[in-house]
Parts: sequence; structure tokens; C-alpha cells
Amino acid sequence: GNSVTQMEGPVTLSEEAFLTINCTYTATGYPSLFWYVQYPGEGLQLLLKATKADDKGSNKGFEATYRKETTSFHLEKGSVQVSDSAVYFCALSPQGAQKLVFGQGTRLTINP
Amino acid sequence: KAGVTQTPRYLIKTRGQQVTLSCSPISGHRSVSWYQQTPGQGLQFLFEYFSETQRNKGNFPGRFSGRQFSNSRSEMNVSTLELGDSALYLCASSLESYRANTIYFGEGSWLTVV
Repeated sequence: GNSVTQMEGPVTLSEEAFLTINCTYTATGYPSLFWYVQYPGEGLQLLLKATKADDKGSNKGFEATYRKETTSFHLEKGSVQVSDSAVYFCALSPQGAQKLVFGQGTRLTINP
Repeated sequence: KAGVTQTPRYLIKTRGQQVTLSCSPISGHRSVSWYQQTPGQGLQFLFEYFSETQRNKGNFPGRFSGRQFSNSRSEMNVSTLELGDSALYLCASSLESYRANTIYFGEGSWLTVV
């Protein structure tokens, strides 16, 4: 079946630190991969996506590369800010289906 | 352009009652899907509608149902509410029913069952 595994949280970093949130997936065929972010009390916002192997998604300084050989889509940011504090979800959309399978989410807190 | 709009935002229901949640997708979007978010189970897919037809369904009991209207607006209904149905229900929309289409989420409806 389809599943997504994210690194356990919570993650706490200092401002300007380097961020990596690991994400691996299991899927048949060729899924699309996504990172969504959820700020307190809000719905989900798309952060970035990649639709095929070796694609790199990027937005607001965040990046993730679709690695089919390692079935991974790790999220990175070179210098985090306090405003990046949120819960981050890795997700996949299976080939042939318009739905999202989510990881469990990683709560990120950035201290000034 | 307006985003995905969900109503009501907050509601409290009693066990055994039923509830209907509404969703207006982004203008021009024809695919609408619903998700349940709980602390224990995380984000789980409920169902997806496209052109008034249910295209995909998650692993939820028959008490959870939905529909889509000709204007793409959607409703979901939960009958015989249980305490475990307390959750944030998120509606999402996309242009087409195709995996690469970006899915946009509303702010959700917070349901508390007492």
C-alpha cells in the first residue's frame, strides 16, 4: 500500500540554524510528493511539490528533491526563522488517484 | 481569488446526533476532497468527488458520507456521532481529478462531540 514516514518530532532549533526533516515513502507506481505546512489554528498550506523523480521543489527558502532510488523527499532549509515554527507534513498522491496520504507530521519550533 | 471556504468553523454536537459540513471550492475547481485530522490518527483521507461523482473513498464507516453539487460545492455528513468523531475536518479542492494537480485546503471545521 501507500504510506509516508516522517522523522519524529518535536524539533527545536535556534534561529538561523539548518533544518532537515526526513521523509520516506512507500508507493506503487509513480506518486507525486508534497510538503504541507500547518500554522497554529489554520488549515494546510502547500509548501512545495515534486511530480517526478529528481524534481526539486522549492519555496520560501525550503527545498526537497524527489529521490526515487531512496524513496525519500527530505525537507531542508539553510537558515530558519521564528516564523517557520509550524507543523510540517510530508504527503504523497498515488498514481491515478487524486488523494493525499500524509505522514504523521513534525512539529518545528524555532527559538530566537 | 477566494480560497476554499468551509462552514461552520466550529460546532459542538451531542453523541448520537448527525452533522453536516459545507465546503465551497476555489472558483473553477471541480475536484473536492475531505480529510479528518485527529491527534491520534493524524490526517486521513475520507473521500473525493469530481463532477458530482465519488471517485475515491478512504477507510471510514458508512456513517461518513458526502456529496457534490453541480456548482462543485460539497457537503459531508456524519450520522450517529461518536465521541471519536471529534476532529478537524478539512476540505480541499483542485482543478481536476489528477494526481499532479495541486490540492488546496480550507481552514477546516472543528467538530466536538460531547
